[in-house]
Amino acid sequence: AQSVTQPDIHITVSEGASLELRCNYSYGATPYLFWYVQSPGQGLQLLLKYFSGDTLVQGIKGFEAEFKRSQSSFNLRKPSVHWSDAAEYFCAVGAPHNNNDMRFGAGTRLTVKP
Amino acid sequence: EAGVTQFPSHSVIEKGQTVTLRCDPISGHDNLYWYRRVMGKEIKFLLHFVKESKQDESGMPNNRFLAERTGGTYSTLKVQPAELEDSGVYFCASSQDHTGRRETQYFGPGTRLLVL
Repeated sequence: AQSVTQPDIHITVSEGASLELRCNYSYGATPYLFWYVQSPGQGLQLLLKYFSGDTLVQGIKGFEAEFKRSQSSFNLRKPSVHWSDAAEYFCAVGAPHNNNDMRFGAGTRLTVKP
Repeated sequence: EAGVTQFPSHSVIEKGQTVTLRCDPISGHDNLYWYRRVMGKEIKFLLHFVKESKQDESGMPNNRFLAERTGGTYSTLKVQPAELEDSGVYFCASSQDHTGRRETQYFGPGTRLLVL
């Protein structure tokens, strides 16, 4: 069964600094990978997803993620963080041909310092 | 287009009481999912409806939880009787139905349940 690990529970960065949130997955084949963000009082919003093709995926709000099969990773990046990016970020993995059984990581909470 | 909505946003109940959570999926989405996040841990799958049918309920923790989706539109998740460990955030998500292919799930804001 697939699983997801987000090693960092909490990260603090200064506004304008670059950001990388780590995500490692376990799956027997090429999975579908997702990053979601949850702002306070909001639902989970899809930032980006990887299904196939180009391993560098562009998302909304200036985020991108790179699928690295050799490292079983799908890290999320942003070159310059804005205060409004403070939120909790979830990586998720799903089987390609199955609408069930999506697995989430425990989340990484991002704090942005002025 | 309206997103996934959930009601109530918050619920505080006493142990032993009953609570019913409601989810309205995006119009036209046949797939509806319930997830739960307990005490800051990972979000865990509870069950999946395709229209009114339960496709997979392997994540339901025990028989105190009952999910329904009569008519294949909105869904309810009832917890009866509630226990302390049921506290958490309950998320609902929906997606379009394309058999054999994963579709993106769109999430609601969640219901925060606190059992005292």
